[in-house]
Amino acid sequence: DADVTQTPRNRITKTGKRIMLECSQTKGHDRMYWYRQDPGLGLRLIYYSFDVKDINKGEISDGYSVSRQAQAKFSLSLESAIPNQTALYFCATSDGTRSYNEQFFGPGTRLTVL
Amino acid sequence: AQSVTQLGSHVSVSEGALVLLRCNYSSSVPPYLFWYVQYPNQGLQLLLKYTTGATLVKGINGFEAEFKKSETSFHLTKPSAHMSDAAEYFCAVSDRGGYQKVTFGTGTKLQVIP
Repeated sequence: DADVTQTPRNRITKTGKRIMLECSQTKGHDRMYWYRQDPGLGLRLIYYSFDVKDINKGEISDGYSVSRQAQAKFSLSLESAIPNQTALYFCATSDGTRSYNEQFFGPGTRLTVL
Repeated sequence: AQSVTQLGSHVSVSEGALVLLRCNYSSSVPPYLFWYVQYPNQGLQLLLKYTTGATLVKGINGFEAEFKKSETSFHLTKPSAHMSDAAEYFCAVSDRGGYQKVTFGTGTKLQVIP
């Protein structure tokens, strides 16, 4: 079984709709991240969480919100989706006790906003 | 602020030829360095990392990279390309302390020609 799972894997929605992307992990890691990937831009950090009570904005948080429901679950919400939020979204985890930040990625969610 | 530059968004090599993917970084202190690979329709997975010690690091699938402080480079190489190496490769840099923010490059798509 995958250590980091994301649901749904694909989603098509319309402008203005609220969307939630979910991430679960069985790695026991304390840190979790949400990224978006756009062609030619690499990965950009949306939000990150060091534990359930510690949530921080990344470089492109506008239009997004998150919830850390438990150590193993981290959800990303688009309150009112817009077409330029069409992208591939990745959840990642890391072990905060390590001296280096090696990240483990989920399989991604492809979101299309029409 | 740290940054990563990957030269060449697309690289094509013949099967059996040398693979060389270039990565240069900018960081105020010696960083941690990573190479990740993304196969089609999958998340990123770690190929190799440099944290400390030997500057030539070996990773999975026959890849290796050398940390050259004087050149601020961390180029990825493989002596002989295989068809299964076709993927997108991301170089990443991380701080050594504090939040350990990870910055990803924009990626290089490797095409292997039979």
